[in-house]
Amino acid sequence: GENVEQHPSTLSVQEGDSAVIKCTYSDSASNYFPWYKQELGKRPQLIIDIRSNVGEKKDQRIAVTLNKTAKHFSLHITETQPEDSAVYFCAARTNSGYALNFGKGTSLLVTP
Amino acid sequence: EAGVAQSPRYKIIEKRQSVAFWCNPISGHATLYWYQQILGQGPKLLIQFQNNGVVDDSQLPKDRFSAERLKGVDSTLKIQPAKLEDSAVYLCASNQLNTEAFFGQGTRLTVV
Repeated sequence: GENVEQHPSTLSVQEGDSAVIKCTYSDSASNYFPWYKQELGKRPQLIIDIRSNVGEKKDQRIAVTLNKTAKHFSLHITETQPEDSAVYFCAARTNSGYALNFGKGTSLLVTP
Repeated sequence: EAGVAQSPRYKIIEKRQSVAFWCNPISGHATLYWYQQILGQGPKLLIQFQNNGVVDDSQLPKDRFSAERLKGVDSTLKIQPAKLEDSAVYLCASNQLNTEAFFGQGTRLTVV
């Protein structure tokens, strides 16, 4: 089955700096790659996603890039703010009929 | 729109006892998932339903876990008997085909 690896497990940045989280996946048939943000004690919430026919997608301070050849995708957060502090999960899915496979998460801390 | 509803929010039981969790997905969502999230890890799929049929239960420990989705709407997940290693947050999620998966708040289970 699909195996998603995520790095780093923890990331600490200063407010205003950029943060990058990287994921690799094993199944070349995967075609949907969402990123979820989970604050302490709360539900995971989708922040951005990308499909395999697109190489990059941006939404304000957040961007995701996908390299299908290398089977990796990354989350980029620019101009980080303290409220960006949370655990971020990447995920992959092979087709629309199947469930998401998640990475182990990255705990991001943004210090003022 | 109303979100995915789960209950209870918290549950503490002794090992070898039984416990049940309930999930009400977003109205109209045909697909429902149960995930187990152990502290410090990403969500792991336990079972996926499409309407009232099981799509994937390959990672469900069937000797102690069971789930049903009668009438293709609400779902219950049961553990009997519980083990210490079942302590986790149990997340329910739902979506329509090829769309974003929405998560409930989860049920935090502590087995003592």
